[in-house]
Amino acid sequence: GAGVSQSPSNKVTEKGKDVELRCDPISGHTALYWYRQSLGQGLEFLIYFQGNSAPDKSGLPSDRFSAERTGGSVSTLTIQRTQQEDSAVYLCASSLGRLAGAKQNIQYFGAGTRLSVL
Amino acid sequence: AQKITQTQPGMFVQEKEAVTLDCTYDTSDPSYGLFWYKQPSSGEMIFLIYQGSYDQQNATEGRYSLNFQKARKSANLVISASQLGDSAMYFCAMREALTDSWGKLQFGAGTQVVVTP
Repeated sequence: GAGVSQSPSNKVTEKGKDVELRCDPISGHTALYWYRQSLGQGLEFLIYFQGNSAPDKSGLPSDRFSAERTGGSVSTLTIQRTQQEDSAVYLCASSLGRLAGAKQNIQYFGAGTRLSVL
Repeated sequence: AQKITQTQPGMFVQEKEAVTLDCTYDTSDPSYGLFWYKQPSSGEMIFLIYQGSYDQQNATEGRYSLNFQKARKSANLVISASQLGDSAMYFCAMREALTDSWGKLQFGAGTQVVVTP
């Protein structure tokens, strides 16, 4: 597609359930990022994939959060045993990658997945 | 420590007027990039403008310009001739070369802009 695609757009789940959020990056983009946006914390970095390198997981808030990127394209963010504080909008972005040069390596965002944990 | 500071939580501006959104940043990395994004009520983050730390000239993109004052660590966004469609949340962000290998973006808290007729 033309832009970053995220699904579902909305997800309501019960506390304790696992959820999977999907991100389909822009074709040809080697870098993929996950961010979380919540009222109290603003925009927080979660995890970053660059090509075949080991991902930067430094922003994941707990071991209940994990992400994978299959075939260098689609990524899935998984939250296990969801808690109410996980309620937020989860944003995915992709970019050409750091080898493209700083000015070309712009991150383009999807519309996000709004997660509500009841 | 907060690396990006946006001191204006909200602003009203009249249509056709110019508006300046403040952003200051904190880094010891000599190479970094500064970004502005717009987030309308629909939620999507829209890239507006980029300024590199070594760029000699201030960035401009249509009605958007960036007032980059490196010594003051300031990267203010100027929107000229505001339009009703400019009503949105605006985020300043930074990416560092050495600290984060040009990876993650670090965002400010945002400024809510409301354009009035």
